[in-house]
Amino acid sequence: GEDVEQSLFLSVREGDSSVINCTYTDSSSTYLYWYKQEPGAGLQLLTYIFSNMDMKQDQRLTVLLNKKDKHLSLRIADTQTGDSAIYFCAVQRNILTGGGNKLTFGTGTQLKVEL
Amino acid sequence: GAVVSQHPSWVICKSGTSVKIECRSLDFQATTMFWYRQFPKQSLMLMATSNEGSKATYEQGVEKDKFLINHASLTLSTLTVTSAHPEDSSFYICSASRMGTDTQYFGPGTRLTVL
Repeated sequence: GEDVEQSLFLSVREGDSSVINCTYTDSSSTYLYWYKQEPGAGLQLLTYIFSNMDMKQDQRLTVLLNKKDKHLSLRIADTQTGDSAIYFCAVQRNILTGGGNKLTFGTGTQLKVEL
Repeated sequence: GAVVSQHPSWVICKSGTSVKIECRSLDFQATTMFWYRQFPKQSLMLMATSNEGSKATYEQGVEKDKFLINHASLTLSTLTVTSAHPEDSSFYICSASRMGTDTQYFGPGTRLTVL
């Protein structure tokens, strides 16, 4: 089955950029997502990218996709203390490729923003 | 739009009792809803996928008689944990997809503690 890996922890200073990395194994992954989870809360969809794209930018967030290496990254510019949370990448096949739109989540990266 | 709610947000129950958790899509119709379980400091594990009006599809290793899922309408799915035991204590999160799309929108989660 699909395997999605992330580093467990990242610490940055306020105002710096954060880069959270994710690797996956299934080359049929069609949609790739980034979710944010604050303590005791559900998941907030931050952004997503289709597999036919290399990059997507949305305000402070930049997603880069390297399909050849099966590597996804999320860059947060001008990181703020409110960005402290756990970030999950998730990959999905679409229904047409037999994925049944199930999501496979990464292990999550705890981002800590220090003053 | 795309707001998903869960009720209750937390529940404490005695061992042997049953607990029902509701998942509602508030501003859209959800043909598919998903139920996940998350242990502390871990990723989300998919338990089952439910489509409106049909039986849920359970992931391998998830007991369908213990975790009863009902998706009776396009805006409501329920998860009932029957004869709960302390090892069922966890954070349960639902998600919902709009008809014809793959993106999942997550509820805020329900913290279940079984004494």
